[in-house]
Amino acid sequence: KAGVTQTPRYLIKTRGQQVTLSCSPISGHRSVSWYQQTPGQGLQFLFEYFSETQRNKGNFPGRFSGRQFSNSRSEMNVSTLELGDSALYLCASSLNWRGGTDTQYFGPGTRLTVL
Amino acid sequence: DQQVKQNSPSLSVQEGRISILNCDYTNSMFDYFLWYKKYPAEGPTFLISISSIKDKNEDGRFTVFLNKSAKHLSLHIVPSQPGDSAVYFCAAKGNSGGSNYKLTFGKGTLLTVNP
Repeated sequence: KAGVTQTPRYLIKTRGQQVTLSCSPISGHRSVSWYQQTPGQGLQFLFEYFSETQRNKGNFPGRFSGRQFSNSRSEMNVSTLELGDSALYLCASSLNWRGGTDTQYFGPGTRLTVL
Repeated sequence: DQQVKQNSPSLSVQEGRISILNCDYTNSMFDYFLWYKKYPAEGPTFLISISSIKDKNEDGRFTVFLNKSAKHLSLHIVPSQPGDSAVYFCAAKGNSGGSNYKLTFGKGTLLTVNP
């Protein structure tokens, strides 16, 4: 089975721009979660999607949004980019995530640099 | 408020010896714990997990121990190999609704295995 894929792998944007990142989960997985990794804050949860619905949300401003399509692929969007948004953005997929021992599998991440 | 803590930022061991990575948590709603290994510029790779109904889970060279009363878990790697050198993250998932349905990560421990 192919793993979680994320595109693009690297992005450079300037302040004020917006960006869209894409994630394709493992085949058969319906839950997709997004995380932000920075040196200072570590890995922090952004949101989770299941069956095209946002099921859970972390403590990030409204500039961070996402969506999920009927094939479980997911996108996240960051509008009005700030320097502090520079980070590694990770996508993780799982079968359901509500199951007791379901596991999240991560993609390689998208490295976003905001200049 | 750091709910999952990895108090050792780094650990260095000799090849062939045991590596012990520790993790403490404060949220009693956590009932499923996972360890991930991460290389620079890659996504975390799932290693091993443990449910709160168990106190030990073993998979090859990796064993995770859970002490619920102390809210402490540890990952043992025996024998350690140079290829194990990476950052290890402890993560926890809650068992009830809302914000507990997400992975909460520790800050990570950099393991270096010396030949």
